Amino acid sequence: GENVGLHLPTLSVQEGDNSIINCAYSNSASDYFIWYKQESGKGPQFIIDIRSNMDKRQGQRVTVLLNKTVKHLSLQIAATQPGDSAVYFCAENGDSSYKLIFGSGTRLLVRP
Amino acid sequence: EAQVTQNPRYLITVTGKKLTVTCSQNMNHEYMSWYRQDPGLGLRQIYYSMNVEVTDKGDVPEGYKVSRKEKRNFPLILESPSPNQTSLYFCASREQGFFNSPLHFGNGTRLTVT
Repeated sequence: GENVGLHLPTLSVQEGDNSIINCAYSNSASDYFIWYKQESGKGPQFIIDIRSNMDKRQGQRVTVLLNKTVKHLSLQIAATQPGDSAVYFCAENGDSSYKLIFGSGTRLLVRP
Repeated sequence: EAQVTQNPRYLITVTGKKLTVTCSQNMNHEYMSWYRQDPGLGLRQIYYSMNVEVTDKGDVPEGYKVSRKEKRNFPLILESPSPNQTSLYFCASREQGFFNSPLHFGNGTRLTVT
């Protein structure tokens, strides 16, 4: 979205290809992780979540992978569509039960 | 439709003129929170509320107030806005206190303070 950052890392993919968006999280105490999608002019929209007792979770066209050893989270989008163009954020709960810590985001551009 | 509703969507004001941004959710969520989003700084939490009459500071509470008199409403109050509070504001809610369920966000309020 237009308001989320001027210099976001950008991933450009061809329509129909698979997309992989990566996130390095910061806190080894985090045990809950979420991926959000933010389109221009809208609020972050929940995509998928995962708890630390899992290393993979699948949704509709999306898969989240969690590697706790290296504190890495990824979002895979299958058969990327133009409507998937947005900024994607990962978020973790850190060592707090009261807030989410958001990553800086990755802009996904889908080429027709 | 389950949603978080913020008003207004856009607001331009002058330094020092008190304003309130309203937030309402229809999901009977206990937890509500306000974030601001700034280029290069991402989403930062201003205040949160675990339940009615229970509020606490987030990471950037200076210059803001909140109240939680009813479960569904969580207004954000700027008693004396300053230009550094120009930002995009999001209200969010979720079911309960512990973070094992996602936050649901409103569509944002773009505030400009001149």
